[in-house]
Amino acid sequence: GAGVSQSPRYKVTKRGQDVALRCDPISGHVSLYWYRQALGQGPEFLTYFNYEAQQDKSGLPNDRFSAERPEGSISTLTIQRTEQRDSAMYRCASSVRDSYNEQFFGPGTRLTVL
Amino acid sequence: DQQVKQNSPSLSVQEGRISILNCDYTNSMFDYFLWYKKYPAEGPTFLISISSIKDKNEDGRFTVFLNKSAKHLSLHIVPSQPGDSAVYFCAASGPNAGKSTFGDGTTLTVKP
Repeated sequence: GAGVSQSPRYKVTKRGQDVALRCDPISGHVSLYWYRQALGQGPEFLTYFNYEAQQDKSGLPNDRFSAERPEGSISTLTIQRTEQRDSAMYRCASSVRDSYNEQFFGPGTRLTVL
Repeated sequence: DQQVKQNSPSLSVQEGRISILNCDYTNSMFDYFLWYKKYPAEGPTFLISISSIKDKNEDGRFTVFLNKSAKHLSLHIVPSQPGDSAVYFCAASGPNAGKSTFGDGTTLTVKP
């Protein structure tokens, strides 16, 4: 049984470029979450999906950030016109459903914006 | 404002002794609490959880206590082992079940 996978594991980009981060959740998990984690801090909620429906996007910092999960499985977090302050670890997690369930985290994508 | 706080950035304990990690929260709507453990270069992994209808949940060496009136929870590890050395995150969720709020973590070091 594969866990949550994320790609790429590391991404270095120049300021102003768009980046797309991919998450492949555990098969059968209804809920998928995106977090951002700065060094020395806990994961910060960005958005989450049940199946293909985005349930809550209140944590997305601004309109440069968007996420989709078109077929209810793989999800993509897109950051347009990246800025240096976007540099962080981006983590994806999935769970059987959203209520009262533990989340299974992927290894994360380390994004560096130069 | 940080709704979930772990006020001790680090804790060092001797092998075999008890480790107590603490977490405070401010949002009274939180009704489900979880602890995650994280090793370097890995994602957090679930450890133990507790619902607000309980005040204690035990799983082997790990016990979580919840004090709703004080908005405080703690994780007890007995006995502590060197393999327990990791960063421990406290997390909470409420009516918006999918949105979890995490603390900044406590780094536990268990010395042999």
